[in-house]
Amino acid sequence: QSVLTQPPSLSGAPGQRVIISCTGGSSNIGAGYNVHWYQQVQGKAPKLLIYNNINRPSGVPDRFSGSKSGTSASLAIAGLQAEDEADYYCQSHDSGLSSWVFGGGTKLTVL
Amino acid sequence: EVQLVESGGGLVKPGGSMRLSCAASGFSFNKYNMVWVRQAPGEGLEWVSIIASSGSFIYYADSVKGRFTVSRDNAKYSLSLEMNSLRVEDTAVYYCARLDILTSYDEASFDYWGQGTLVTVSS
Repeated sequence: QSVLTQPPSLSGAPGQRVIISCTGGSSNIGAGYNVHWYQQVQGKAPKLLIYNNINRPSGVPDRFSGSKSGTSASLAIAGLQAEDEADYYCQSHDSGLSSWVFGGGTKLTVL
Repeated sequence: EVQLVESGGGLVKPGGSMRLSCAASGFSFNKYNMVWVRQAPGEGLEWVSIIASSGSFIYYADSVKGRFTVSRDNAKYSLSLEMNSLRVEDTAVYYCARLDILTSYDEASFDYWGQGTLVTVSS
């Protein structure tokens, strides 16, 4: 059971907008810790997609956006493309566990 | 170009030991905190350990505390993970990753990752 909760799977048609949620608690996201998002294409290493809640590293398309409110965070992907099919993970820090924690991951399928 | 290359994975019996290495290049290794993250087959990501840029602090996940030891050699641009008393549940791809230097270590993202090395613990 992951400390951060994500939907196991989501799907969308090309061009659609999807939102992946990440729900935590008062010792992680709710405590104000940053949330980061990673994209992992099958068989590859994770890649940083969104850092410090809302920021995109250089090279990440602006179709990807992040937000955070209370004990939750979200990753939105607009104009879905076939290449967006991947696993997505949220990550934060948990003060109660003194640990860096990940969500269980969301498998995004582009129909 | 930032590069992280893990090595040392393979097959080991339960109770055995293994040492993983991560060779860094393309950045000032001695300025960055580093982590190990693992991923069991078909499963999600799990943070394993963190070591400060100077080695001044080290933390471990409860699942590996007392069995794994992280270290670094800044002169050789190298990060290591010594794994002892290995269990079947330690089977995973092990990634080394770099922490964002501009953010406090407990809030920082993992901005670059290696390709990973597979450790299989099986009799």
